[in-house]
Amino acid sequence: DSGVTQTPKHLITATGQRVTLRCSPRSGDLSVYWYQQSLDQGLQFLIQYYNGEERAKGNILERFSAQQFPDLHSELNLSSLELGDSALYFCASSLRGGANTGELFFGEGSRLTVL
Amino acid sequence: AQTVTQSQPEMSVQEAETVTLSCTYDTSENNYYLFWYKQPPSRQMILVIRQEAYKQQNATENRFSVNFQKAAKSFSLKISDSQLGDTAMYFCAFTFMDSNYQLIWGAGTKLIIKP
Repeated sequence: DSGVTQTPKHLITATGQRVTLRCSPRSGDLSVYWYQQSLDQGLQFLIQYYNGEERAKGNILERFSAQQFPDLHSELNLSSLELGDSALYFCASSLRGGANTGELFFGEGSRLTVL
Repeated sequence: AQTVTQSQPEMSVQEAETVTLSCTYDTSENNYYLFWYKQPPSRQMILVIRQEAYKQQNATENRFSVNFQKAAKSFSLKISDSQLGDTAMYFCAFTFMDSNYQLIWGAGTKLIIKP
């Protein structure tokens, strides 16, 4: 158990809809990262938050947004969903947002299926 | 551009054999961390081993060891005495030791351990 909790584990929705994925980082971790993993693909970095502030942005679509709350949990909002958004969405956390041991702790992922 | 290449999409070996997964990367930076992550069918991303680029000594973790060749930008993973539980996708990744911490991932190698 990594200590990172993601909900929901599975989600099925229709095109055009909006969903919210939730992540609770490990206790004490200040940084949260969101990744997208499409079928048989590697991980694509979406966005990083550190202590409530956006720290880095990757290949995140404008239809997607995220935030990190004062209690350090994070939410990833996906709107106007398309079939191609079907993927596994991972949240990961680390103690700090900068140079550290480099290790990320991953949640089990949220499997999104868009029909 | 920073890239990671895993040239073996899939490999399979017999239980108890030794297997080596290859990884090459491209960066002009000098200080970075390298990782191997494992993703079993349960989908969880699990850190297998980590290497600091400034260390010449190859990292080892029980049956897992790396062959790190900085000049060649090569970072292979050796699994000794392979076990059925080693069946998983293996991802190579690296990140820089700076304030904008992001992992850059390879596409993964699917490893199947046969009984």
